[in-house]
Amino acid sequence: DGGITQSPKYLFRKEGQNVTLSCEQNLNHDAMYWYRQDPGQGLRLIYYSQIVNDFQKGDIAEGYSVSREKKESFPLTVTSAQKNPTAFYLCASSIWRGSSYNEQFFGPGTRLTVL
Amino acid sequence: DQQVKQNSPSLSVQEGRISILNCDYTNSMFDYFLWYKKYPAEGPTFLISISSIKDKNEDGRFTVFLNKSAKHLSLHIVPSQPGDSAVYFCAASDSQAGTALIFGKGTTLSVSS
Repeated sequence: DGGITQSPKYLFRKEGQNVTLSCEQNLNHDAMYWYRQDPGQGLRLIYYSQIVNDFQKGDIAEGYSVSREKKESFPLTVTSAQKNPTAFYLCASSIWRGSSYNEQFFGPGTRLTVL
Repeated sequence: DQQVKQNSPSLSVQEGRISILNCDYTNSMFDYFLWYKKYPAEGPTFLISISSIKDKNEDGRFTVFLNKSAKHLSLHIVPSQPGDSAVYFCAASDSQAGTALIFGKGTTLSVSS
């Protein structure tokens, strides 16, 4: 089955620790994205990548880092510099067709709780 | 400054009736609009989209209407079913600027039987 996998579903960390969230897709999509959702809020873009070894900051990139070494994988690291890391994190992917219309497909999400 | 606004946090509808979810946007460069449905603790699922060259797109029970002059779009669900109860997000993008989507805050739809 093609899809987007995020692991783990729930993650707990102590304050001050870095943590890496996994995102893998086997849809052969070029572009991948990380969003954050907080209660009563929409999805806010953290980082996105349109091609391997390249990525761009979204609206709320501070305190986060990413890498894109493989087309299938786009891990997100939540660093200790992120002031409010507790949130629901969503990974998405899409075909990149340049200036064209591309719907994004989402993974199941990871709930990160920092204690 | 919110570029995509869903001003109704919640909507309650009876089974079989029409559900109308609304979305307003401010950026006139947006040319592609999408609706997603989301259940708690799950990722959003794509429902339907519309490009700015159209004013209506239909897929089964779901129809999206776009009014470019008013910078307004709406999602109609007819007939509404209890399984439609979820949070619905409106999203928009400027396809010339790239693929990033801007999401509204969502509307929680409750369909009662």
